[in-house]
Amino acid sequence: NAGVTQTPKFQVLKTGQSMTLQCAQDMNHEYMSWYRQDPGMGLRLIHYSVGAGITDQGEVPNGYNVSRSTTEDFPLRLLSAAPSQTSVYFCASSLTTGAGNTIYFGEGSWLTVV
Amino acid sequence: ILNVEQSPQSLHVQEGDSTNFTCSFPSSNFYALHWYRWETAKSPEALFVMTLNGDEKKKGRISATLNTKEGYSYLYIKGSQPEDSATYLCALGNYGQNFVFGPGTRLSVLP
Repeated sequence: NAGVTQTPKFQVLKTGQSMTLQCAQDMNHEYMSWYRQDPGMGLRLIHYSVGAGITDQGEVPNGYNVSRSTTEDFPLRLLSAAPSQTSVYFCASSLTTGAGNTIYFGEGSWLTVV
Repeated sequence: ILNVEQSPQSLHVQEGDSTNFTCSFPSSNFYALHWYRWETAKSPEALFVMTLNGDEKKKGRISATLNTKEGYSYLYIKGSQPEDSATYLCALGNYGQNFVFGPGTRLSVLP
């Protein structure tokens, strides 16, 4: 089972550059999301999607863009990278939006913006 | 925005010791409390999903309890092993809202 696959695992960007973090899941999950993990803080929600064609902002959406053209894929775009976006990014999915559903995570993408 | 707290922030225990840590959350509109185990460079892994006040769940040497009235959950590890070293995250799910994660408890088990 591939589960949730995200790439790249490590990336160094220069300030102002743009890039896309890829995320795919093969479990036919409706709900997908992106989080960032910073030291001393919980996972913070960036954007989420409840199904193909539907996206919405989370707690910290500024500087990021998402799209959900298929059920499987949910890429995260950094529009103009800033040092404040240095973080570990996790893509996640669950069967539906219900709070009782287990969340499945990718392995994380370590991003450094210099 | 809801606030989910975890304590302690980190702890070191000796192999064989039992340990526990806490997740605290606001009890209004509660729906579910999740525990995840995260080893660096790996995917966070689901341990438990609890929904009912008084729930107790167990997975091997790890168990968890839930008190929704007072807004806390305990995670227990019996006879800690070096492979238990990880960050333990709790996440609160409320009606109509996205999950809110705590900052995690980082456990180091020393051989």
